[in-house]
Amino acid sequence: AQTVTQSQPEMSVQEAETVTLSCTYDTSESDYYLFWYKQPPSRQMILVIRQEAYKQQNATENRFSVNFQKAAKSFSLKISDSQLGDAAMYFCAYRRSYGNKLVFGAGTILRVKS
Amino acid sequence: GAGVSQSPSNKVTEKGKDVELRCDPISGHTALYWYRQSLGQGLEFLIYFQGNSAPDKSGLPSDRFSAERTGGSVSTLTIQRTQQEDSAVYLCASSSGQGVAFFGQGTRLTVV
Repeated sequence: AQTVTQSQPEMSVQEAETVTLSCTYDTSESDYYLFWYKQPPSRQMILVIRQEAYKQQNATENRFSVNFQKAAKSFSLKISDSQLGDAAMYFCAYRRSYGNKLVFGAGTILRVKS
Repeated sequence: GAGVSQSPSNKVTEKGKDVELRCDPISGHTALYWYRQSLGQGLEFLIYFQGNSAPDKSGLPSDRFSAERTGGSVSTLTIQRTQQEDSAVYLCASSSGQGVAFFGQGTRLTVV
């Protein structure tokens, strides 16, 4: 079974600084998707970024980028120029390519200090 | 609608009662997921529907939990004889097959 591990229960970052959230996963598949979701106190899950495993180039969305290391099964999220609105719980998620459930990590609480 | 809609937003029920939680996915989305999230915790997979295929029920915690999806659209999650440990936020998401999953705002269930 696929598993997703987020080893950092909580992280803090100063406003305008950069922070990296870690995620590792375990799978025997070669084709899959990886996601980072953000959940603010409103509890609405919001997609931050997505990566297809067959793509070697790391995904980027504005201040958010990933470091995807397929061989190491690592998928970290880097947030640059952190803002107060980035404070939330962040979840890493995995899904096999051919229509299957999303498997989530336990989440990392990100606190942003002003 | 524009997004995934869940109702009710909040539900308080007495222990032992049955509850029904509703999810209205994004129109045209073939995949629908239910997850449970206890306070401050991660997402626990419950059930997954994909088109006309048999649902993946592997995450349902007991036979008190069931879900159906009528006409490939609206889904209802039913919890029978609720227990206090069922208290959680129940999240529904939908996607277009291999696409990104979009989540509703969840139903907060409190069993007293």
